[in-house]
Amino acid sequence: DQQVKQNSPSLSVQEGRISILNCDYTNSMFDYFLWYKKYPAEGPTFLISISSIKDKNEDGRFTVFLNKSAKHLSLHIVPSQPGDSAVYFCAARSRVFQGGSEKLVFGKGMKLTVNP
Amino acid sequence: DSGVTQTPKHLITATGQRVTLRCSPRSGDLSVYWYQQSLDQGLQFLIQYYNGEERAKGNILERFSAQQFPDLHSELNLSSLELGDSALYFCASSLPGQSGANVLTFGAGSRLTVL
Repeated sequence: DQQVKQNSPSLSVQEGRISILNCDYTNSMFDYFLWYKKYPAEGPTFLISISSIKDKNEDGRFTVFLNKSAKHLSLHIVPSQPGDSAVYFCAARSRVFQGGSEKLVFGKGMKLTVNP
Repeated sequence: DSGVTQTPKHLITATGQRVTLRCSPRSGDLSVYWYQQSLDQGLQFLIQYYNGEERAKGNILERFSAQQFPDLHSELNLSSLELGDSALYFCASSLPGQSGANVLTFGAGSRLTVL
């Protein structure tokens, strides 16, 4: 049962335009949502996060929107740059903590290509 | 350099064999997580250790085991290897229990190929 879903495997956009990456989740116990970026031959790196009590978080060119009623979040990149070309993973964290027990549930990832 | 070190970077072995993947967490982090990324799959959570003790378990096979040592480095042992075990294995570390999102920092991964 996949709790975090990224239904589109890839997205291609032109440099300077907006990139919108979508993510859906099923578990209402998630309290934080994160986006990670992954380049080939490297590990995922943290990009931006949002708490479940917020509906928007912005960091430079990156904005994450959360719609709890729809169990949906999206990452907006404006303007998109060729260096943004990477695989983007959506991840969610469960709310329950048990003596340091925490884990992130990841989606399958989406490959973003930004064309010059 | 993320500060999380994984060795080896690449490993090729045969079915039925056993391998050990090693991870050194970022300085100051107490938790180590292991994730598996197979072809066309996301990052599948395997197991978490916190300060030497197992804290959370995911879809880890019985043929797989892990431990975290007193110096906080961790090893993931994979035995009786099958072709389907070929994957990228990522280690991540964090200092859980903090406020906020508890960001995991990932290593570059160990690519295992089982022939």
